[in-house]
Amino acid sequence: EVQLVESGGLVVQPGGSLRLSCATSGFTFDDYAMHWVRQAPGQGLEWICLISWDGRSRYYADSVRGRFTISRDNRKKSLYLQMNSLRVEDTGFYYCAKDIVSTGDGMDVWGQGTTVIVS
Amino acid sequence: QAVVTQEPSLTVSPGGTVTLTCGFSTGAVTSSHYPYWFQQKPGQAPTTLIYDTRKKHSWTPARFSGSLLGVKAALTLSGAQPEDEADYYCLLSYSGDKVFGTGTKVTVL
Repeated sequence: EVQLVESGGLVVQPGGSLRLSCATSGFTFDDYAMHWVRQAPGQGLEWICLISWDGRSRYYADSVRGRFTISRDNRKKSLYLQMNSLRVEDTGFYYCAKDIVSTGDGMDVWGQGTTVIVS
Repeated sequence: QAVVTQEPSLTVSPGGTVTLTCGFSTGAVTSSHYPYWFQQKPGQAPTTLIYDTRKKHSWTPARFSGSLLGVKAALTLSGAQPEDEADYYCLLSYSGDKVFGTGTKVTVL
């Protein structure tokens, strides 16, 4: 069974930093691209970034480019999101999601998410 | 920045059929945008229903189907069940980036 478990969500002050992690199991991690998606309270889904299977290709939404960095450790089967210069509007639920291919097509399996509060 | 638009809300009767659409501010939605559809119920993570316009996962109920309808992507629910009441989001690929739609709240009533 494919499982994704996010962790690292906290309450942080504006301007602060936070690192989210996503531990995975049940699939060959380095065969797939991975995503981070967030959802502000009561709002819709927002795609924020994508990393290819080998980490060589990374894409970011305009809202986080230059502040957030996506990375992965294929040996540890884990995905990360380094968030710097946090803003109040970064508050929300953060999901990691597995892609259906290695280079980035779209999500098939999602984690349960972790909460980030910037206040 | 590109905007993906969906109907804010739709209502369908139990057993009825409803079609949700997904439009793109840059122009027509095509198969090259690899449309995806997701379902999200309150307090839960999203689940993926449709990928690459019309492909289904093993867990996707047969009553859901994806297509292109004119200049938009579409998700059709045929034979709505009470458990289908949820928020639905589309996702389009655009120059390497991904953009979610604004979401549609579907009520089964």
